[in-house]
Amino acid sequence: GDSVTQMEGPVTLSEEAFLTINCTYTATGYPSLFWYVQYPGEGLQLLLKATKADDKGSNKGFEATYRKETTSFHLEKGSVQVSDSAVYFCALIMKTSYDKVIFGPGTSLSVIP
Amino acid sequence: GAGVSQSPSNKVTEKGKDVELRCDPISGHTALYWYRQSLGQGLEFLIYFQGNSAPDKSGLPSDRFSAERTGGSVSTLTIQRTQQEDSAVYLCASSLLAGVNEQFFGPGTRLTVL
Repeated sequence: GDSVTQMEGPVTLSEEAFLTINCTYTATGYPSLFWYVQYPGEGLQLLLKATKADDKGSNKGFEATYRKETTSFHLEKGSVQVSDSAVYFCALIMKTSYDKVIFGPGTSLSVIP
Repeated sequence: GAGVSQSPSNKVTEKGKDVELRCDPISGHTALYWYRQSLGQGLEFLIYFQGNSAPDKSGLPSDRFSAERTGGSVSTLTIQRTQQEDSAVYLCASSLLAGVNEQFFGPGTRLTVL
């Protein structure tokens, strides 16, 4: 079945370091891909999305490119800040089945000063 | 405007009791989703409503779980005869339309079954 795999962490980085969180998916069709973020004590928020191959989603300095050939949607940021400490979830929605939202297990990121 | 709200924020119950969790979606959002977030299981999709109907209930973990939505707005998730493995954070989300529209999440209800 459809699924999302991502590095679970926890990931600990120093401030201003480069961040990559890997996400790969398995799907029978062509899903839309999302990154959600959950800050400590807060609810889930959409960070960015891409709806078709080669699209790049970006927000708050984060970027992810929809790579159909590698079935990946890796999250990157060039210089992380302490305020980026959160749990990041990769997710997909199949366009033919709007009720099926599939999340990865989440990656916990801690950024230290 | 107001976001998605959920109540109660925390619920502690004894094994075997029934619980009701409530979700108030953003006004005008036709799609409503329930998820469960638990240690070791990540974020698990439970059920989705389009209007008052739930096209797919297969995500509900057992027949002790049920959900309804009335008036195309408020939704209630009911867990009967709660078990300790039901302990989790139950999240509700809504979106303007189903599909690739952004889902807005509520703060969740933390359920603890003793």
